Amino acid sequence: QSALTQPASVSGSPGQSITISCTGTSSDVGGYNYVSWYQQHPGKAPKLMIYDVSNRPSGVSNRFSGSKSGNTASLTISGLQAEDEADYYCSSYTSIYVFGTGTKVTVL
Amino acid sequence: EVQLVESGGVVVQPGGSLRLSCAASGFTFDDYAMHWVRQAPGKGLEWVSLISWDGGSTYYADSVKGRFTISRDNSKNSLYLQMNSLRAEDTALYYCAKDGGYSYELGYWGQGTLVTVSS
Repeated sequence: QSALTQPASVSGSPGQSITISCTGTSSDVGGYNYVSWYQQHPGKAPKLMIYDVSNRPSGVSNRFSGSKSGNTASLTISGLQAEDEADYYCSSYTSIYVFGTGTKVTVL
Repeated sequence: EVQLVESGGVVVQPGGSLRLSCAASGFTFDDYAMHWVRQAPGKGLEWVSLISWDGGSTYYADSVKGRFTISRDNSKNSLYLQMNSLRAEDTALYYCAKDGGYSYELGYWGQGTLVTVSS
């Protein structure tokens, strides 16, 4: 049950696109299409942004998109906005759940 | 509107016990699996436990297996986490979360209740 690996921080200017990676193994990320992504603003509860690798729940902006290649999943935020500054976590389901180490997104 | 309200977090001594509760409203509680997730101060998210809609299946992270017990009372729309043999490393904000209903995701989260294990 090792945590999935994410970069500690990613930054970008308003309007730019950024991508956050989430690396696991063939036993979790690579073995199942059950990767989800969560956004967490300081002092707030996490919010679901992406499920099943690339699906957006109702109400989530289409600026957020997800993908997967092998053992690495990715979250891309396009048209970066100030409100996107937050921590982001990936998660994979494998009969139990494991979260990523988290990535702090900074809007320059 | 989905609401999840956790309670029961306090300061407890190492080796002690505690029961957390989560009151759910705004959805049909017994249609959904429920989770507990924790976040140590300044750290990342750690999945703790899952219970099926009917309570018939439960799952735990290795870090809490044998010490924590998840349960639910569908007649009271409530989720619980019994925590025994508490350790300093169990200090965290504990979130209750509802299964998303799409697939294998956590769709809605409460605001959390803080558990501090300290002598």
